[in-house]
Amino acid sequence: AQSVTQLGSHVSVSEGALVLLRCNYSSSVPPYLFWYVQYPNQGLQLLLKYTSAATLVKGINGFEAEFKKSETSFHLTKPSAHMSDAAEYFCAVSERGSTLGRLYFGRGTQLTVWP
Amino acid sequence: GAVVSQHPSWVICKSGTSVKIECRSLDFQATTMFWYRQFPKQSLMLMATSNEGSKATYEQGVEKDKFLINHASLTLSTLTVTSAHPEDSSFYICSARVYGALNTEAFFGQGTRLTVV
Repeated sequence: AQSVTQLGSHVSVSEGALVLLRCNYSSSVPPYLFWYVQYPNQGLQLLLKYTSAATLVKGINGFEAEFKKSETSFHLTKPSAHMSDAAEYFCAVSERGSTLGRLYFGRGTQLTVWP
Repeated sequence: GAVVSQHPSWVICKSGTSVKIECRSLDFQATTMFWYRQFPKQSLMLMATSNEGSKATYEQGVEKDKFLINHASLTLSTLTVTSAHPEDSSFYICSARVYGALNTEAFFGQGTRLTVV
């Protein structure tokens, strides 16, 4: 079974500082991996995804993530935080094949950005 | 493109009544839709996978008689919370996969906030 672990339920950074949100997955074969952002009382917006192409994936709003198979990790980074980045971030994994699109989510990381 | 719309965005109902939530793919066909539930300050938990024209597949621990799912067309899936109780209050989100594509992404609706009083 798939599982996703997000280390740190809350991360606080200053505006302009590096953002690092951690995600580790558990799977017997490399799955598809996703990062989503959620603003209060809204659905999910896809930031980026890994689907076995380049291991360094660039997404929207300046975010990127690197798939490291040896570490079973898919950490999300942004070089310089902006106030508008404050939100809940979810890492998710999807199996390949017939259940494509069926996502298993981590518990989420609340990002706070201080001025 | 790839817009998924949920209706209503929020609903308040009395305990014991039933509530229907709609999930529509507006500009694409979706053979498969997924229903998630999110408790406050928590992650999304997959409730069921809905396939057009067939019965939904429920995750372990989800009561299929409580949460009725119908996927009658390639653009519409509905979730009905039957005999709702306060513990059913939650944020319900659907997502949809594009029919026939190798696209790995599922697109999410904006969610429905259900409050049972």
